[in-house]
Amino acid sequence: GDSVTQMEGPVTLSEEAFLTINCTYTATGYPSLFWYVQYPGEGLQLLLKATKADDKGSNKGFEATYRKETTSFHLEKGSVQVSDSAVYFCALKDSNYQLIWGAGTKLIIKP
Amino acid sequence: KAGVTQTPRYLIKTRGQQVTLSCSPISGHRSVSWYQQTPGQGLQFLFEYFSETQRNKGNFPGRFSGRQFSNSRSEMNVSTLELGDSALYLCASSLEGTGVYEQYFGPGTRLTVT
Repeated sequence: GDSVTQMEGPVTLSEEAFLTINCTYTATGYPSLFWYVQYPGEGLQLLLKATKADDKGSNKGFEATYRKETTSFHLEKGSVQVSDSAVYFCALKDSNYQLIWGAGTKLIIKP
Repeated sequence: KAGVTQTPRYLIKTRGQQVTLSCSPISGHRSVSWYQQTPGQGLQFLFEYFSETQRNKGNFPGRFSGRQFSNSRSEMNVSTLELGDSALYLCASSLEGTGVYEQYFGPGTRLTVT
């Protein structure tokens, strides 16, 4: 079945560092891809999405590009802030229109 | 517009009991999905309701059930609670279940089974 693999955390960076969180997927067809963020004690928020190959999703300085050839959707940000500390989830929408989730990557940003 | 609300936010139950969790979707949203989040298993899809009908179901035992009312509010029920049912239960609503409609999540209900 469909699956999502993302890099294990925690990822610890200093403020203003460059961020990459890797995400790869296995799916039949061409799923839509998503990044969600979960701040401590809160539910999930959609960060960005891409619906077809070569689409680039972006929001709040975060970007991710849908790469069909490498089945990847890596999350990047040029300069992270302490407020970006959270758990980030990569997900795909399968043929039944349900979200299949990665395990989540905890991001810790130190001032 | 009010977001997705879930009640109660926290719940402590004893093994063998049953529990009902409630979710009120964003006004106008007709699809409600439920997820279980645990440290060991991560996020797992439970089921999805659309227009009062269960449209999709994840791989959970029959102790987990749900329903949706005509106003799109949804409840999920877990009977004969087990220690392993301790988790954060998240509800998400969307305009439609199909396509790329965004799912909006509630804050979750933290269930602890002792």
